Amino acid sequence: GENVEQHPSTLSVQEGDSAVIKCTYSDSASNYFPWYKQELGKRPQLIIDIRSNVGEKKDQRIAVTLNKTAKHFSLHITETQPEDSAVYFCAARDNYGQNFVFGPGTRLSVLP
Amino acid sequence: EPEVTQTPSHQVTQMGQEVILRCVPISNHLYFYWYRQILGQKVEFLVSFYNNEISEKSEIFDDQFSVERPDGSNFTLKIRSTKLEDSAMYFCASIHTFMNTEAFFGQGTRLTVV
Repeated sequence: GENVEQHPSTLSVQEGDSAVIKCTYSDSASNYFPWYKQELGKRPQLIIDIRSNVGEKKDQRIAVTLNKTAKHFSLHITETQPEDSAVYFCAARDNYGQNFVFGPGTRLSVLP
Repeated sequence: EPEVTQTPSHQVTQMGQEVILRCVPISNHLYFYWYRQILGQKVEFLVSFYNNEISEKSEIFDDQFSVERPDGSNFTLKIRSTKLEDSAMYFCASIHTFMNTEAFFGQGTRLTVV
């Protein structure tokens, strides 16, 4: 089955700097890669996603890149703000079912 | 905006007792999921459900767990005989169709087994 790894596990950046979180996946048939943000005590919420027919997608300060050959995808947050502080999870959809496999998460702290 | 709702928000139960966690998915969604998140850890897949039957389940989802959609709106997770290690946040999620793949999560039920 699919295995998703995520790095780093914790990341601290100064407000205004950029943050990059990287994920790798194992199943070359996976074709959908969402990123979720989870604030303390709250539900995961989708912030951006990318499908395998696209190499990059951007939404304001957030972008995701996908390298299918290398089986990795990354989340880029520019001009970070304190409210970006949260745990971020990447995920990959197993193409043989409807299951989403999540990475272990990255705790992002944006320091004012 | 439609959302997935879960009840209760917090449940405390004695070890060995049965618990039922309830979820109301978004009304026109067809695929339903339960996930578990032990405090501070990753979100772990338990089971997916489509067309009134289990589509997939993980190795966590053993004989102590069951799911059902009894009335076309609720989607329940039952744990027959709870263990201490079942203490976690349980999230329900739903998806409209397989191709429309954004998963919407409920706010979670925190289960504490004592």
